[in-house]
Amino acid sequence: EAGVAQSPRYKIIEKRQSVAFWCNPISGHATLYWYQQILGQGPKLLIQFQNNGVVDDSQLPKDRFSAERLKGVDSTLKIQPAKLEDSAVYLCASSLVLAKITDTQYFGPGTRLTVL
Amino acid sequence: AQSVTQPDIHITVSEGASLELRCNYSYGATPYLFWYVQSPGQGLQLLLKYFSGDTLVQGIKGFEAEFKRSQSSFNLRKPSVHWSDAAEYFCAVDSGTYKYIFGTGTRLKVLA
Repeated sequence: EAGVAQSPRYKIIEKRQSVAFWCNPISGHATLYWYQQILGQGPKLLIQFQNNGVVDDSQLPKDRFSAERLKGVDSTLKIQPAKLEDSAVYLCASSLVLAKITDTQYFGPGTRLTVL
Repeated sequence: AQSVTQPDIHITVSEGASLELRCNYSYGATPYLFWYVQSPGQGLQLLLKYFSGDTLVQGIKGFEAEFKRSQSSFNLRKPSVHWSDAAEYFCAVDSGTYKYIFGTGTRLKVLA
């Protein structure tokens, strides 16, 4: 089965510019997650979707970050305007259902963002 | 608040040697515990997970981990390391809210 797809793999922008990342989860997976992984740190959850609804976005910096999951499949994460501290790898993950704790999160390869 | 500590930032072992990566968690009840591996340019791959039952958990690629409640630990082990095991390893905890808290990772280097 195909894994979680993300694009682009790399992006370099200047501060104050905007950027968008795309994620296509594993087919049939209802739950989708976006994580931010800063160099030298573990991934940190930004937002969690169940189908096309937001379950948790408590750690999403909403003044500059936004995310959507139209039709409950693909998702986009946007940063506008970007800051230097947004330089990180943005990981997308998906799982089959949210309500089953034994379910596993599958991760995509990530998008490495560099803000100059 | 939950937290995960991986005290070793870097570990170097010789190929064929045994390996133990440490993970300590902070949580009042028994959490759900995970080990993931991340190779350069790749996403995270699940090695193993613990939810309940037998405290010794077997995973993929010959890895195992032991949950020790008294020590709040979930250390990852492998009896004989292969050069392909060089990667970064992350321990994660979930208190039941389906949100993973990750440690800062341990980077493993394998000497030929």
